[in-house]
Formats: sequence, C-alpha cells, structure tokens
Amino acid sequence: SYVLTQPPSVSVAPGQTARITCGGNNIGSKSVHWYQQKPGQAPVLVVYDDSDRPSGIPERFSGSNSGNTATLTISRVEAGDEADYYCQVWDSSSDQVVFGGGTKLTVL
Amino acid sequence: QLQLQESGPGLVKPSETLSLTCTVSGGSISSSSYYWGWIRQPPGKGLEWIGSIYYSGSTYYNPSLKSRVTISVDTSKNQFSLKLSSVTAADTAVYYCARLWVVTAINALFDYWGQGTLVTVSS
Repeated sequence: SYVLTQPPSVSVAPGQTARITCGGNNIGSKSVHWYQQKPGQAPVLVVYDDSDRPSGIPERFSGSNSGNTATLTISRVEAGDEADYYCQVWDSSSDQVVFGGGTKLTVL
Repeated sequence: QLQLQESGPGLVKPSETLSLTCTVSGGSISSSSYYWGWIRQPPGKGLEWIGSIYYSGSTYYNPSLKSRVTISVDTSKNQFSLKLSSVTAADTAVYYCARLWVVTAINALFDYWGQGTLVTVSS
C-alpha cells in the first residue's frame, strides 16, 4: 500500500518560515491535503489540492508538490501555529485514504 | 454550517463490539460527491483511516481493519455508523467521523470533522 513519510518534528522561531515535508513515491502525481491538529481538538484542513487554502485559513499557509515530496510552508510562524500537521492523499490503486505519520511543529 | 457529532459508549470490554454513530446536521447525508468516514487516533499517535461509506451504501475499508469493520448508513436519520468487532486494548482511541469530499476518482479529502469521542477498551 502507499506510504507517506513525514519528519516527526520540526522546530522554528517565531516570525520564521516552517517547512514540513511529506514524502511518497511519485507523490507529485497525486493531490495532497494538509491538516492541522491542536491538542484535544479535531484536525482542521489547512491546505488542499497541493496548494489551495480553505476559507478562513491565513495566506501564511501554502503548499507545493513535485516529484517525491510535498511541502507545507508556514510563513511568519506564530505561537498559535504550534500543532501536529498531517498530510493525506487518496490512493486510487487501492481505494484507500492514506495519512502521513504526522509532524509536531514546535515554535521556539 | 455542516456539523457532525459522534455518539456511543466510551467504554467497551475486550472481545466485544465497538459501536458508534455519527449524526450529520446542517446538510444532507445523501449529497452527491461526498462519502462519510471514520478515522481514529490512539492516544499520542497519528491518524488512521478506518473506512468510508456513500449514501447508497457503497463502502471502502482500510485493509488492516476490514475483517472486523462494518460501516452502515441510515439516510432517514441522516446518520452513519461504525461497528468494530473483537476489540482489544489496541483499539483504544479517539474516534472521529468526517465528511470525505470526493473531488475526482483519484482525489478525496476530509473537509468537515466531528469533535471526536474517546473509546477505551478495558474490562
């Protein structure tokens, strides 16, 4: 089955740019979606279809996808961005939803 | 605004069947382009997709759980349900229901989530 690989943790200082990667075989041919999950809360969609933002999500959140890596970029990081982030695709070869293992973003 | 709410027992004994229901409000479960799904998250761990169902009853399941999972839909009540049989402590998790937007045949994402409900498997 299809596997998505994320780094367990990423740390960044306030005001800097955080980049969270999601690796998968030829992931550039798939549409990647990103969710933010804060402690005790349900996940929230922050980027869909590689780089689109749902209504209400700040422009600081952006995404890209090419080759074997998709990336969620958070610009001008704020303390409130500290959360777990998950990437997700639909694997049409097996008709499954696939999640990455998640990345804990720490704002220093 | 679409809302989803999970309900069911918070404690299930080992070897028994876990049963949860998700009630959808603010929209119809019979809408085209949308499946309805269950996702779980063991304490301190990541998200695991369990399965999804269309209002017609068509289902997709995670192969790792397929032998123990049944997802059903009741359009008259705007609800869908999860049954997970022969549970063990490893099935202890927060269970979420969510709407799966099927954008195309090769693209789907969860755009609305319930708040989640903790189910503990213990005697």
